[in-house]
Amino acid sequence: SQKIEQNSEALNIQEGKTATLTCNYTNYSPAYLQWYRQDPGRGPVFLLLIRENEKEKRKERLKVTFDTTLKQSLFHITASQPADSATYLCALDRGSTLGRLYFGRGTQLTVWP
Amino acid sequence: DTAVSQTPKYLVTQMGNDKSIKCEQNLGHDTMYWYKQDSKKFLKIMFSYNNKELIINETVPNRFSPKSPDKAHLNLHINSLELGDSAVYFCASSQVRDTYEQYFGPGTRLTVT
Repeated sequence: SQKIEQNSEALNIQEGKTATLTCNYTNYSPAYLQWYRQDPGRGPVFLLLIRENEKEKRKERLKVTFDTTLKQSLFHITASQPADSATYLCALDRGSTLGRLYFGRGTQLTVWP
Repeated sequence: DTAVSQTPKYLVTQMGNDKSIKCEQNLGHDTMYWYKQDSKKFLKIMFSYNNKELIINETVPNRFSPKSPDKAHLNLHINSLELGDSAVYFCASSQVRDTYEQYFGPGTRLTVT
């Protein structure tokens, strides 16, 4: 079965630094990899999607990389702010079943002033 | 103008009862999902419907029965509730083969006593 691991349950960094979150997967290679943000008491919110043939994707202060050889995705938040504090979820789509996503357990990011 | 809405937000009930959770999306998406997020924050898919057709049916007790009256609605009925059913249930929708990202509702926190 698909296994997704996010590097740590919690990550604490100082405001202004770059936060780097890791998502590793085993077994099947995903056709797409997505990152979501979840705030306490709310549903996940889509942030970025990267396809298997893409190496990097950017959106404002966010950057996602995808290395199919290492079976790893890195999610970066540059110039982090306290408002970036949330849980970030990695999700894989193997492309075989319409919209079926395998989620990691998430990394809780705390940005302190 | 909420994109994906769920009712109720909170649901407290006793073991053995039957309850339903309703979900509606106004995004015009063709696929809707039910996810369960347990106490360890692990988000796992339960069901999905594409154009009212069931396409994902994970290993879920048959006490759980989804129903999609139309493309904009996906309800979840749970019979004979058990303590282990306590969790947060999220509804989501997407337009598969187009943008792939999923839009989540605010969640329904179910507590079985």
